Amino acid sequence: DSGVTQTPKHLITATGQRVTLRCSPRSGDLSVYWYQQSLDQGLQFLIQYYNGEERAKGNILERFSAQQFPDLHSELNLSSLELGDSALYFCASSLQGTGANVLTFGAGSRLTVL
Amino acid sequence: QQPVQSPQAVILREGEDAVINCSSSKALYSVHWYRQKHGEAPVFLMILLKGGEQKGHEKISASFNEKKQQSSLYLTASQLSYSGTYFCGTLSGDSNYQLIWGAGTKLIIKP
Repeated sequence: DSGVTQTPKHLITATGQRVTLRCSPRSGDLSVYWYQQSLDQGLQFLIQYYNGEERAKGNILERFSAQQFPDLHSELNLSSLELGDSALYFCASSLQGTGANVLTFGAGSRLTVL
Repeated sequence: QQPVQSPQAVILREGEDAVINCSSSKALYSVHWYRQKHGEAPVFLMILLKGGEQKGHEKISASFNEKKQQSSLYLTASQLSYSGTYFCGTLSGDSNYQLIWGAGTKLIIKP
């Protein structure tokens, strides 16, 4: 157990639907990162939050949004889902907000869009 | 720009050595190495900082050539548990403090 908790572990939904993925960072970590990993691909950075505020944005689609709450947990909202959104979504946390920190990853949420 | 990892894949026998390379066209502040086993989350291995400092754990070593913007991960006397995909992430001045990840190197260790 890495200390980063992601729910749900698996999610199957239909095109056009909306889902919310949740992440609780490791205790003491202030920064949360969201990554998308398609089948046998690398990690695509989506967005980062630090202590409740957006810190950096990567290749995140306009249909996707995220936020970090005062208790530091984060949610990634995916709407108007398309088949191509099927992927493993990882949340990672770190103590601080700079990229030089060690990232601790959650187990991921596997999204399947049918 | 995404760092280039080589080789893309390698198959070894248990006990053999492997070297995985990560090259960037950017001037790097640091190189980060993670290992991901199939179906699992990436796990931190090592950070190599500009100036030579290394932070990491496990019995894996690495180098960072600042002149060539290249890092190499050395896996010696490989064990079955070393199997997985190895990703390097690079941090440079224009990456907005975010790691830019390589495509990964798949390592298969056979008994």
